[in-house]
Amino acid sequence: DAKTTQPTSMDCAEGRAANLPCNHSTISGNEYVYWYRQIHSQGPQYIIHGLKNNETNEMASLIITEDRKSSTLILPHATLRDTAVYYCIVRVGLDSSYKLIFGSGTRLLVRP
Amino acid sequence: GAVVSQHPSWVICKSGTSVKIECRSLDFQATTMFWYRQFPKQSLMLMATSNEGSKATYEQGVEKDKFLINHASLTLSTLTVTSAHPEDSSFYICSGKQGWVTEAFFGQGTRLTVV
Repeated sequence: DAKTTQPTSMDCAEGRAANLPCNHSTISGNEYVYWYRQIHSQGPQYIIHGLKNNETNEMASLIITEDRKSSTLILPHATLRDTAVYYCIVRVGLDSSYKLIFGSGTRLLVRP
Repeated sequence: GAVVSQHPSWVICKSGTSVKIECRSLDFQATTMFWYRQFPKQSLMLMATSNEGSKATYEQGVEKDKFLINHASLTLSTLTVTSAHPEDSSFYICSGKQGWVTEAFFGQGTRLTVV
């Protein structure tokens, strides 16, 4: 059911930007892209979501291509605590009733 | 973000017994609750979705008579694993969302070990 493709793993240096790509080539016009992360043995943490415009919050930025077939999550200054599995998810359904189907995610390792 | 609390954080039970896991939304009314299961080194698998006051909708392949979900109030959902067996050992995670709010928030998970 997962409609996204992500690299299995990535790494970056502490203090540098981490850019995590996601392909969602079959996304429909009204489907949102969500990003969550999961630190080992914890529940997933919401990061950000968007439809077609780029979004930014205190945690990250989300860049969605104009054709919406791919997106990139940017952690501007990665810290060791950002080491986690990052999931890019295409939401299935409406605001009032939807499902989040998780794919395999990207394991990000932030190096000291 | 909003807070979802699960209890217990971990539980060990004997094969054949039932285990109940609670999921509470502490600072919002969760009109919809989701239950996931996660095996080691795997992603989260959606088990079921429940709306307050309604029967849960189970994903294909999930036995509704084995995994009983109750969502009787806007702040509490429970998952009962009935007649648990070792293969039910897993990390169970709940998530809640409120009405038209677009974010869903997750609990910290419950690690179930069946011996």
